Order: sequence, then structure tokens, then C-alpha cells
Amino acid sequence: KAGVTQTPRYLIKTRGQQVTLSCSPISGHRSVSWYQQTPGQGLQFLFEYFSETQRNKGNFPGRFSGRQFSNSRSEMNVSTLELGDSALYLCASSPVGGANVLTFGAGSRLTVL
Amino acid sequence: GENVEQHPSTLSVQEGDSAVIKCTYSDSASNYFPWYKQELGKGPQLIIDIRSNVGEKKDQRIAVTLNKTAKHFSLHITETQPEDSAVYFCAATLNTGNQFYFGTGTSLTVIP
Repeated sequence: KAGVTQTPRYLIKTRGQQVTLSCSPISGHRSVSWYQQTPGQGLQFLFEYFSETQRNKGNFPGRFSGRQFSNSRSEMNVSTLELGDSALYLCASSPVGGANVLTFGAGSRLTVL
Repeated sequence: GENVEQHPSTLSVQEGDSAVIKCTYSDSASNYFPWYKQELGKGPQLIIDIRSNVGEKKDQRIAVTLNKTAKHFSLHITETQPEDSAVYFCAATLNTGNQFYFGTGTSLTVIP
């Protein structure tokens, strides 16, 4: 059974650009969550999608957005990149909504110059 | 919102010794507490979890204890091995969504 797949694994952008990250959940998993991981702030919740609807959102500015497709694949977008957006962005999937086991992908490492 | 504190931030033990990592949480409504292990270049991997109706759970060399009154939970690793070296995160959440609140992590080094 394939795990959670995130693409791209690494990317470098400059300030002001925008970026789109992709996440393919485990087959059959309908909930996809996104987390930002930085050395200073640790793992912070961005948002969760279930059945193409954003069910929960963390405390991040509107520059961070996401969506989920009918096949449960999810994308997140960060517009007008800032240096502080440099981080490891982790996607996690779980079978259904609710506090279930999260299975994380390996993450997308974003560097903003 | 929930606040999870984790100690220690770094921990070194000799191979074969035990390791204990402790976390406290602030929201008494939290009722699901997983522990994740993150190795270099990988995403966090669930190693054990506990729900608020259970005080202790064990899986081979790994155990987790939960004290709801004191709002703290701990990870215990016995007979540590070099492959246990990693960063460990505790987390807490309500049983209604996937917004997990993570501790700041413990970097465990097992010295052969």
C-alpha cells in the first residue's frame, strides 16, 4: 500500500513568488491535513480537508490556502512568499475525519530566498 | 487553544538504558495523545497513541502513560537501541478533528 506522496520534495523560491505543493493521500483516506514544520515553531497546523471541504483552519495568514479534489488529492498554495515561509510542509492523511491516526508524507522542503 | 509542552529537548542514553519523555497539555477537553518519531529526511511516524479513557498502553519496548488529572503524558522506551535515535514529538487533540497540537520535540541519541 503506497504511503502519502508529496511533491515536489525540495524547491527554492524568491520572495514575492507563489508556490503550490501537492499531496496524494493513502488510497481510501479522505481526510488530508497540512502542517508547517520549522525549527523555531515546531509543527503547526495549517488546515484540514475532508470530502473537498475545508473543515478546520489554523492560525496562518490568508496567503496560505488549500484545496482538495474529488479523488482526495490535495494542494496547498502560498502566495507572496516571505523569508519566514521557509519550512518543511507536511501533509498527513487519515481514513475519515475525526482524531484518527495521521500518516505523514516525507514533506516538501521550501526555501525562500 | 491547546498548548503542549515537551521535556527534555535533548536526551542522550546508553544503549540498553531506558528513556523517558514527558509532555503536559492545557486543554482538559483533549482526549487523544499520539507520539511520533521523526528520522532525518522523513515525515513523523506514529509509534504509539493513547486515548483519555486509558491510563497506560504498551507495545513491546514502548509504553505511554496518561494522567488526565495532572494533564500530562509520558513516553517510555526500554532497552534502547541505536535505531531509536530520532526526534520524538508528542501531540494532543480533541476527538473531533485533525487539528493536532504538537510538542516542540525531543532529540534522542542512543549511544552504542
